[in-house]
Amino acid sequence: DTEVTQTPKHLVMGMTNKKSLKCEQHMGHRAMYWYKQKAKKPPELMFVYSYEKLSINESVPSRFSPECPNSSLLNLHLHALQPEDSALYLCASSQDRGVAGGTDTQYFGPGTRLTVL
Amino acid sequence: AQSVTQLDSHVSVSEGTPVLLRCNYSSSYSPSLFWYVQHPNKGLQLLLKYTSAATLVKGINGFEAEFKKSETSFHLTKPSAHMSDAAEYFCVVIRYNNNDMRFGAGTRLTVKP
Repeated sequence: DTEVTQTPKHLVMGMTNKKSLKCEQHMGHRAMYWYKQKAKKPPELMFVYSYEKLSINESVPSRFSPECPNSSLLNLHLHALQPEDSALYLCASSQDRGVAGGTDTQYFGPGTRLTVL
Repeated sequence: AQSVTQLDSHVSVSEGTPVLLRCNYSSSYSPSLFWYVQHPNKGLQLLLKYTSAATLVKGINGFEAEFKKSETSFHLTKPSAHMSDAAEYFCVVIRYNNNDMRFGAGTRLTVKP
């Protein structure tokens, strides 16, 4: 099973709302990722968690707050977003972060389509 | 630094004809390269990957890619296009010694009946 699930599928929120995106995997992967994808563009890396610790933050604004409560679950908390934050948010996981020169395939979820009004 | 360049933003083929999607890479080290496919309003699905084993890599749905170091290329091919192949295709390189991916700009494949 190589499934990564994401909820909700669609989310519409106002600029003053607080909402959360959820990502789950049960493959025993220890690395999890958040990407943002604008229309007709490739995904852009936002955050990387390795063994439940944040290891990469690609200079993402603080209105996005990631959380990794356990090895299977990854959340992205949203607060005071702007209309330009509207995008497809993709979660991915991999066995590890390919340390020591290795490479671990990333498996993606279907994404959450976020619209900020 | 590692990066990939997808040479065509849009490729259009007729059903049953061959598909060629081109990707060139730049890397100081021996790279790990991937092709992912994204159907409209969907997540990304792994088609195939190269990690310094066989240079000709076979993937799902009849796709394959050949790693050519002398040409710094990793082109994706399929002998016969199917309507269901219409999608966006991304060539990806892994940043050395971690697992962080760098995506090409994508190639949109259109398949005509």
